[in-house]
Amino acid sequence: DVKVTQSSRYLVKRTGEKVFLECVQDMDHENMFWYRQDPGLGLRLIYFSYDVKMKEKGDIPEGYSVSREKKERFSLILESASTNQTSMYLCASSLSWAGGGGDTQYFGPGTRLTVL
Amino acid sequence: EDQVTQSPEALRLQEGESSSLNCSYTVSGLRGLFWYRQDPGKGPEFLFTLYSAGEEKEKERLKATLTKKESFLHITAPKPEDSATYLCAVRFSGSARQLTFGSGTQLTVLP
Repeated sequence: DVKVTQSSRYLVKRTGEKVFLECVQDMDHENMFWYRQDPGLGLRLIYFSYDVKMKEKGDIPEGYSVSREKKERFSLILESASTNQTSMYLCASSLSWAGGGGDTQYFGPGTRLTVL
Repeated sequence: EDQVTQSPEALRLQEGESSSLNCSYTVSGLRGLFWYRQDPGKGPEFLFTLYSAGEEKEKERLKATLTKKESFLHITAPKPEDSATYLCAVRFSGSARQLTFGSGTQLTVLP
């Protein structure tokens, strides 16, 4: 089974702090994704990575950066946290872009981040 | 603009009362359609992937079908443990590296 783990289930930070969210997958997947999920807005893609050190902006990259130094690990960084970044953050991974199930994204358990 | 619309927003069923959830899309070339189940406070759990019109997938009480413009998630004789939010996501040719998610259907099955 695919397993995607996230470093924290719950996190509370202060405005202006630098925040690191980490995600690890154990299935040698090429692609990794960071989403945020907010009531009424659904899941929105922040960034994704299709290879080590390669990244691409999603729909809402402002205020975030990412790092992928190893294939299995994808980090989301909030350089200076703000209250409007309070949200549920979800990491996902997929094997490839190919059909036949290879492009299925598998999600981690999520990190509920509160910025005070 | 490519869009994914799920209906109804919320559905309450009695245990054993079968029904269907809908996911409709306007696309510039469908590359794949994905169904997920999400419990409160947790990440989405993968259910099915469909790639072409006419395709069907089944798992326990759930069956997903796909046409050229929509997908249905049929729930047969649901149980209270089927209560969750069901999400539909679509991969389009125009943005093949991303999924576009619908807003979900919140299903409640009453005992």
